[in-house]
Amino acid sequence: GAVVSQHPSRVICKSGTSVKIECRSLDFQATTMFWYRQFPKQSLMLMATSNEGSKATYEQGVEKDKFLINHASLTLSTLTVTSAHPEDSSFYICSAFQGPTEAFFGQGTRLTVV
Amino acid sequence: QKEVEQDPGPLSVPEGAIVSLNCTYSNSAFQYFMWYRQYSRKGPELLMYTYSSGNKEDGRFTAQVDKSSKYISLFIRDSQPSDSATYLCAMSGSGGGADGLTFGKGTHLIIQP
Repeated sequence: GAVVSQHPSRVICKSGTSVKIECRSLDFQATTMFWYRQFPKQSLMLMATSNEGSKATYEQGVEKDKFLINHASLTLSTLTVTSAHPEDSSFYICSAFQGPTEAFFGQGTRLTVV
Repeated sequence: QKEVEQDPGPLSVPEGAIVSLNCTYSNSAFQYFMWYRQYSRKGPELLMYTYSSGNKEDGRFTAQVDKSSKYISLFIRDSQPSDSATYLCAMSGSGGGADGLTFGKGTHLIIQP
């Protein structure tokens, strides 16, 4: 199957700082990428849809000024958590869509804000 | 009511048993149905997908969709300890993956050697 690489896999940051997470599709071009968030023992919750060359579409309740998404190329989308707080600690996962049903996921990023 | 309901388990069965995992959903617009396997602290891995109602088999895995009952199942035959993981059902509308996926909570499966 296709490979989606997510980096870093784990990050610890201080409260108030910003963290950038990268999601790359390694062997295909992805016009659409998705960002999910997963709390322990909870389902993956879609945060936003990232479209190459245009603004991301955020799900209801997700602060777009806090979770900045940039999809500058067909193989790279980034999620920046700005002014991180402990409640932002979570497992963030990206996926790249290769239609119609092929959504491939990255390895996930464990964010801990201290 | 959540859009997708899935029993989180844990479900523990002996090696070699047939495993049945299920999800129910409420949104009749869902057309694509997927099963993902997720190991601890890793991203989900696509196992199978089915479009609309019907069955699909791939090796030891069989996926079933009953749209009239809004019920989907994943069966694992001859279960192995390496099958121990969390299994997530996921669904999307007619746009397929382009719409983003709605996930169940995941069922934690333990296969006892």
